[in-house]
Amino acid sequence: QVQLQESGPGLVKPSETLSLSCTVSGGSVRSVMHYWSWIRQPPAKGLEWIGYVYDSGSTNYHPSLKSRVIISVDTSKNQFSLTLTSVTAADTAVYYCARSLAVAGSRYFDLWGRGTLVTVSS
Amino acid sequence: EIVLTQSPDTLSLSPGEGATLSCRASQTISGNYLAWYQQKPGQAPRLLIFGALNRAAGFPDRFSGRGSGTEFTLTISRLEPEDSAVYYCQHYGNSPWTFGQGTKIEIK
Repeated sequence: QVQLQESGPGLVKPSETLSLSCTVSGGSVRSVMHYWSWIRQPPAKGLEWIGYVYDSGSTNYHPSLKSRVIISVDTSKNQFSLTLTSVTAADTAVYYCARSLAVAGSRYFDLWGRGTLVTVSS
Repeated sequence: EIVLTQSPDTLSLSPGEGATLSCRASQTISGNYLAWYQQKPGQAPRLLIFGALNRAAGFPDRFSGRGSGTEFTLTISRLEPEDSAVYYCQHYGNSPWTFGQGTKIEIK
């Protein structure tokens, strides 16, 4: 069965760049059937969709983060990645990677990683 | 952007009771592209309902969803201790996809 696993630094300094990866096991990140998303959750708060990558390169980002976000795919590692620039304390959150079907009407998140906490602090 | 407002923020109920959670959208959600997720402490959210009323695999029929347009509900009947969690609604129509702020169910 397909599983997702986030990885990356747990601590990032303010104004620097946050970089996370999500490894897809049991399936292929090249699948044209799926969107591969990043979602975050600040401590004790709700969920925020950040964006997705699709078909090894097409992307769609939340407008509020669009100027700072890049989501990309590394097919050689079967991973997709999140880059968030110029971070502040407000970017402190648990970051989840998730999958949804690239079919209208089925774009709910049916598979999630366990999440990884990223703290922005000097 | 569609804003989803959930109510109430918290429900404190006893085992065996029923719960009704509300999710109101700031504009019509086309195709009833509305999902519910269950999140237990320290865990990732888990898909519970999709298409407003379709139950995901692994959840009993005590969980049911309904609604259309801008008003959606999640009903949990005969609450059990393991239902203690935060429940989020989410729309997955036109992006940006957004979540409600969550309703926490506490089992006394």
